[in-house]
Amino acid sequence: AQSVTQLDSHVSVSEGTPVLLRCNYSSSYSPSLFWYVQHPNKGLQLLLKYTSAATLVKGINGFEAEFKKSETSFHLTKPSAHMSDAAEYFCVVSDQYGNKLVFGAGTILRVKS
Amino acid sequence: GAGVSQSPRYKVTKRGQDVALRCDPISGHVSLYWYRQALGQGPEFLTYFNYEAQQDKSGLPNDRFSAERPEGSISTLTIQRTEQRDSAMYRCASSLVMAATQYFGPGTRLLVL
Repeated sequence: AQSVTQLDSHVSVSEGTPVLLRCNYSSSYSPSLFWYVQHPNKGLQLLLKYTSAATLVKGINGFEAEFKKSETSFHLTKPSAHMSDAAEYFCVVSDQYGNKLVFGAGTILRVKS
Repeated sequence: GAGVSQSPRYKVTKRGQDVALRCDPISGHVSLYWYRQALGQGPEFLTYFNYEAQQDKSGLPNDRFSAERPEGSISTLTIQRTEQRDSAMYRCASSLVMAATQYFGPGTRLLVL
């Protein structure tokens, strides 16, 4: 079975500094991986997805993630945090058929001014 | 265009009552998914449909939970004889076809007193 572990439940950064949200996955097949963001009182929004093409995936709002098979990691990064990035971020792996999504527990990102 | 919509956005009910949660997918999306998100956790898969056919209901926690999508568009998740442990955010997503990117609605927050 597939699973996802988000290594930090809370991350706090200053505005303008880099963001790193860590995610490790477990899968018995070549996975599809995603990062979703949830702003307060809003739905989940897709940031980016990896589907076995380029290992460095660029998403919206300046975020990117790198798929590292040897480390079973899919960490999310952004060079410079903005106040509007404050939200909860979920790392997600799909089942082998691509229909059932398995979510991590989430990382709450706080951005300090 | 319009995204996934869910209604009601908030539902407070008493233990033992039945509730029906509605999901209206993005127009033209043939696949529809239901997830449940407990406080402080990531969403967990409940069930999904391709057109009107329920393809997988392995995530439904017990037989009090059921879902339907009779005309292949709007879906209803019904919880009978609600219990306090059913309190959660219920999220719906749709995708253009099976195994495609899932787009989420704002969710219905259910509180069972």
